[in-house]
Amino acid sequence: KAGVTQTPRYLIKTRGQQVTLSCSPISGHRSVSWYQQTPGQGLQFLFEYFSETQRNKGNFPGRFSGRQFSNSRSEMNVSTLELGDSALYLCASRSGTVNSPLHFGNGTRLTVT
Amino acid sequence: GEDVEQSLFLSVREGDSSVINCTYTDSSSTYLYWYKQEPGAGLQLLTYIFSNMDMKQDQRLTVLLNKKDKHLSLRIADTQTGDSAIYFCAEFNTDKLIFGTGTRLQVFP
Repeated sequence: KAGVTQTPRYLIKTRGQQVTLSCSPISGHRSVSWYQQTPGQGLQFLFEYFSETQRNKGNFPGRFSGRQFSNSRSEMNVSTLELGDSALYLCASRSGTVNSPLHFGNGTRLTVT
Repeated sequence: GEDVEQSLFLSVREGDSSVINCTYTDSSSTYLYWYKQEPGAGLQLLTYIFSNMDMKQDQRLTVLLNKKDKHLSLRIADTQTGDSAIYFCAEFNTDKLIFGTGTRLQVFP
């Protein structure tokens, strides 16, 4: 089975721009979560989608948004980029049953200049 | 409150056992996880333990859970240079993972 796939691997954007990151979950997984990893704040939860509905949201500003498609693929969008948005963005998928573990992709490294 | 703590560094000799410790605060967490992160990579799921278990063993990995003290540990037997990485413990609570700061494990020959 293929793992969680995230594209692109690297992105460089300038302040004020917006960016869209993509995540394809493991086949059959219906839940997709997004996490931000920075040296200062560590790993922080952004949001979780299940069957195209946002089920949970972390403490991030409204500039961070996401969506999930009917095939469970997910995208996250960051608008009006700030320097502090530079981070590794990790996507994780799980089957969605109560006890299923999260499997992560290799992440998208976003650099904002 | 939600808080997961780990020591920042651990250095061991190749062939020895490594023990990485973690404490968490939320007793309602259902699962506790260990992930490994190598440079430039994402998080690799190593193992996880349900909160009503005390111990789980998987090849070279042993997880111990002391629910009373909210203490979790990961023991790696016969540590190899390929085990050098950052190890994160995480508690699963209300459909999200809360991660510790990560422990950087360095294995020297």
